[in-house]
Amino acid sequence: ELKVEQNPLFLSMQEGKNYTIYCNYSTTSDRLYWYRQDPGKSLESLFVLLSNGAVKQEGRLMASLDTKARLSTLHITAAVHDLSATYFCVIQGAQKLVFGQGTRLTINP
Amino acid sequence: EPEVTQTPSHQVTQMGQEVILRCVPISNHLYFYWYRQILGQKVEFLVSFYNNEISEKSEIFDDQFSVERPDGSNFTLKIRSTKLEDSAMYFCASSEGAGVLQDEQYFGPGTRLTVT
Repeated sequence: ELKVEQNPLFLSMQEGKNYTIYCNYSTTSDRLYWYRQDPGKSLESLFVLLSNGAVKQEGRLMASLDTKARLSTLHITAAVHDLSATYFCVIQGAQKLVFGQGTRLTINP
Repeated sequence: EPEVTQTPSHQVTQMGQEVILRCVPISNHLYFYWYRQILGQKVEFLVSFYNNEISEKSEIFDDQFSVERPDGSNFTLKIRSTKLEDSAMYFCASSEGAGVLQDEQYFGPGTRLTVT
């Protein structure tokens, strides 16, 4: 059974700091996604990672994938308030997406 | 840019009533999905649908739930007799195909269902 575990589940940080969200998953998957969700809103795809060693960057966010360790990370550099949201790590199953619990990120001025 | 749309944005219903949530997937997409998210919790898969058939469903998707593609554009989720625990945000998604890079799922804005 596909399982996705994220940590931490809650993260409060100051603007300008760096931090990393970790995602472990249980079995091999074709790809891994990171989604962002603002309160009461839909899901926005940030990154799709396809292969071992894949690294993608967009602005202050960088995602990486280690398929051997079944680990992905989402690194936030010099956080700004606009990045406050819930971030989901998501694994592609055969006909479905399997979501982690989400990491609620709050960035304080 | 094409997008998945859902109606209504918010539905309030009484326990035991039937509700139908509607979705219009992206027009050239062939695979359709429903997910739900109970407030403050993770997003859970309900069902996937292809070629007018359910291709996979979760344990949550019991006999109270059904899906239908009644015409060429709509995709619906029906809950026959709603329970309090059905209160959640319901997301529709669609994907072009099933192969790598074709199966990226695009999500609609969601319908918030409140059962009282």
